[in-house]
Amino acid sequence: ELKVEQNPLFLSMQEGKNYTIYCNYSTTSDRLYWYRQDPGKSLESLFVLLSNGAVKQEGRLMASLDTKARLSTLHITAAVHDLSATYFCAAGSSNTGKLIFGQGTTLQVKP
Amino acid sequence: AAGVIQSPRHLIKEKRETATLKCYPIPRHDTVYWYQQGPGQDPQFLISFYEKMQSDKGSIPDRFSAQQFSDYHSELNMSSLELGDSALYFCASSPMGDRGLGYTFGSGTRLTVV
Repeated sequence: ELKVEQNPLFLSMQEGKNYTIYCNYSTTSDRLYWYRQDPGKSLESLFVLLSNGAVKQEGRLMASLDTKARLSTLHITAAVHDLSATYFCAAGSSNTGKLIFGQGTTLQVKP
Repeated sequence: AAGVIQSPRHLIKEKRETATLKCYPIPRHDTVYWYQQGPGQDPQFLISFYEKMQSDKGSIPDRFSAQQFSDYHSELNMSSLELGDSALYFCASSPMGDRGLGYTFGSGTRLTVV
């Protein structure tokens, strides 16, 4: 059974600092998603990673995937307050299509 | 671009009442997924449909049922509502076999049971 774990679950950081959120999954998965969610809002798709070694960047966020280690990372560069939100990773497979989510990482960026 | 449409956006029901949530997938998406997200929780998979047939089932209570219609829209029916059913309910759609690039979530329905 696929399980997904994120860490840390809560992250408070100063503006301008860098940090990384880690996402481990327990069994083979051929797709890894990162989402952002603001309180009470929908899931905003950030990245879809489909192959080993995939790296994608958008603004101050960069995501990578290591399928051999079953690990994905979301790196935040020079954080700004607008990045404050909860970030979820989710893993799935083409066999079933359903996604298993990590617990979420609540990011708080302080001025 | 067309997105996944969910209705209603907000719904308030009393305990023991019934509720129906609707989901309209992106055109040409043949697979629909339902997720439940409780307060402070991660989304949990409930059920999915492919070509109007149930394709997978997760932690969906027996009080809930769902179906996909000929136009590919889906409805989640919830009966004997309990306070613990209060949550955000998301629908997602994808075209089968697209390797996940087209997986798209709707804006969600916030159900409050009082």
